[in-house]
Amino acid sequence: NAGVMQNPRHLVRRRGQEARLRCSPMKGHSHVYWYRQLPEEGLKFMVYLQKENIIDESGMPKERFSAEFPKEGPSILRIQQVVRGDSAAYFCASSRRDGSSYNSPLHFGNGTRLTVT
Amino acid sequence: SQQGEEDPQALSIQEGENATMNCSYKTSINNLQWYRQNSGRGLVHLILIRSNEREKHSGRLRVTLDTSKKSSSLLITASRAADTASYFCATVMYNNNDMRFGAGTRLTVKP
Repeated sequence: NAGVMQNPRHLVRRRGQEARLRCSPMKGHSHVYWYRQLPEEGLKFMVYLQKENIIDESGMPKERFSAEFPKEGPSILRIQQVVRGDSAAYFCASSRRDGSSYNSPLHFGNGTRLTVT
Repeated sequence: SQQGEEDPQALSIQEGENATMNCSYKTSINNLQWYRQNSGRGLVHLILIRSNEREKHSGRLRVTLDTSKKSSSLLITASRAADTASYFCATVMYNNNDMRFGAGTRLTVKP
């Protein structure tokens, strides 16, 4: 039973390019969450999605960032026109039950480390 | 605003000793969870304690929750070098979808 899979593991982009981060949740999980982590810091919530729906994007910057979780395929976090400040580790997590109760734990992937040069 | 705040920020102990980490939060919660993160990896769920629970055990882990003080503690007994990691508390508030993480406690267990 594969865990949460994120790819790529490392991504290097030049300023102004686009970054696409992929997340395949655990089998049977239909809720996906994206978090961002700077070195030596905790995780900052970005967005919570169900299949084909964005439930809560209150943690995501209004510009350049977007997320989707299509009916088929992985969830995608997309960052357009990347800047150096976007360099961070981006973690995806999934859960089975309705995330609004949060009584089920999150299962995390190993993250994508984005470096903007 | 940051919800869970762990202290200490860093803790270094000898193998066999107990490690205690604390977490404080600001608003009413549904539950509080502790996670562990090894360097370069994702977070791994350790234990969940609901707002109506006061103490919970799992193996060498003991978690307490004091909702009147808005605080929780994680105790790791008889620590091992393999316990070296960062530990995060995460709070889940009522009527809110996101789980808020603190900055973590970096635990080093020396063999």
